[in-house]
Amino acid sequence: QKEVEQNSGPLSVPEGAIASLNCTYSDRGSQSFFWYRQYSGKSPELIMSIYSNGDKEDGRFTAQLNKASQYVSLLNRDSQPSDSATYLCAVNTGGGNKLTFGTGTQLKVEL
Amino acid sequence: EPEVTQTPSHQVTQMGQEVILRCVPISNHLYFYWYRQILGQKVEFLVSFYNNEISEKSEIFDDQFSVERPDGSNFTLKIRSTKLEDSAMYFCASRGTSGGGETQYFGPGTRLLVL
Repeated sequence: QKEVEQNSGPLSVPEGAIASLNCTYSDRGSQSFFWYRQYSGKSPELIMSIYSNGDKEDGRFTAQLNKASQYVSLLNRDSQPSDSATYLCAVNTGGGNKLTFGTGTQLKVEL
Repeated sequence: EPEVTQTPSHQVTQMGQEVILRCVPISNHLYFYWYRQILGQKVEFLVSFYNNEISEKSEIFDDQFSVERPDGSNFTLKIRSTKLEDSAMYFCASRGTSGGGETQYFGPGTRLLVL
């Protein structure tokens, strides 16, 4: 069974602080990794994809990938109250490029 | 900006009834997916579809489920005889083949309630 693990949280951070979200995966052959944000009752919304080891920055967000450790993370460097949501880690597994999701980490950004 | 659309947004049905959930993927995308999310649980893969055939399906996707691309724009998920445990949010997703082509874009979902 190919698994994706996340801490369910909630992770509470003050406005303007750095939020760090972590994810581990079991399938060593995985090549593509995604972070989605999901507001309650809504669909997953892509924040960032990452394919290579190292860091990838996009606005306030930085994704980090370490394939040797089977670990991917997402940093939000300037958390805003509107960022309060569940953050889903998804890993591309299987020949049909299906996504395997973690359970998500709930982030709460407090004023 | 192109987006995936889904209809209906909500569907209530009686156990044993057939339901069809509809999706219009992004127009130049070639790969299509259905996922579901039971309330409070994680998003789960159901099926992927490419070149007019299923490319992969999960163990959830049993004989009660089928998918179809009846024309050049729609992609449907049919549940033949709904069960209580089919109550969930169903998401359609699509992806292209170039320039970030592995990214799957999700529709807004259909909330299915089986009574």
